[in-house]
Amino acid sequence: GQNIDQPTEMTATEGAIVQINCTYQTSGFNGLFWYQQHAGEAPTFLSYNVLDGLEEKGRFSSFLSRSKGYSYLLLKELQMKDSASYLCAVDWGYGQNFVFGPGTRLSVLP
Amino acid sequence: ETGVTQTPRHLVMGMTNKKSLKCEQHLGHNAMYWYKQSAKKPLELMFVYNFKEQTENNSVPSRFSPECPNSSHLFLHLHTLQPEDSALYLCASSQEDGTGLVGNTIYFGEGSWLTVV
Repeated sequence: GQNIDQPTEMTATEGAIVQINCTYQTSGFNGLFWYQQHAGEAPTFLSYNVLDGLEEKGRFSSFLSRSKGYSYLLLKELQMKDSASYLCAVDWGYGQNFVFGPGTRLSVLP
Repeated sequence: ETGVTQTPRHLVMGMTNKKSLKCEQHLGHNAMYWYKQSAKKPLELMFVYNFKEQTENNSVPSRFSPECPNSSHLFLHLHTLQPEDSALYLCASSQEDGTGLVGNTIYFGEGSWLTVV
C-alpha cells in the first residue's frame, strides 16, 4: 500500500513553534508536499521536498529524510490564522500521482 | 485565483437525478484529477487524466463517470448517487512529463460541495 501517517490533531499557542510529522512508505518515492487547508476551502501549496534536508520559507519549514520515510512541517511564530488542516502528500511518480495523508488539524489558541 | 475553476460551487441533488460537475484549468497543464473529500476523511483520489487519457480509476463506483474532452476541461457526471456520496469534490491539474510531476505542485480548484438527498 501507499500508507501515509500523520497525527490527527494538534494544539499550540499563539507565538509558539509546532512540528507536524508525516511518515510514508519509501518505495517509488518521487517527492513530498505539504498543503494547508482551511475549513471549507481548497488545499493550498506550502512546500515541496525531493532531497534530504530542510527547506525554509518564511515562518514555515519542511524537512525530509528519504531513507526513513519521514518528513515534518515546522511552523514558527504561530498566528491564529494558522489554524487549519495540514496535509502531507506524496508523489509516487507517473501514473500513480498524488496520494494525500489523512491531514493534521492544528488549532492555535490565544 | 489558482487557475482552476469549478462549477457549480454547490449542488443539491436527489438520488435519481443526473448532474455534472465541471472543471476548467487555465494553466496549460496536461494532467487533471478528481478528488473526493468527505468529512473527517483524507482526500481520496478518484480519477486521473494524463494527456486526456484516463490513467487512474481508484475503484470508483460506476455512478461516477469522468469525461475529459481536452486537456483543459474535465467533467464528473453523476447518476443515481447515494447520500454517502455527499462530499466536497475537488478538481486539480498539474504538468506531467514522461516520468512524473513537473513544477513541484498540483493546483486545486475551489471545489464543488455536493449534497445528495
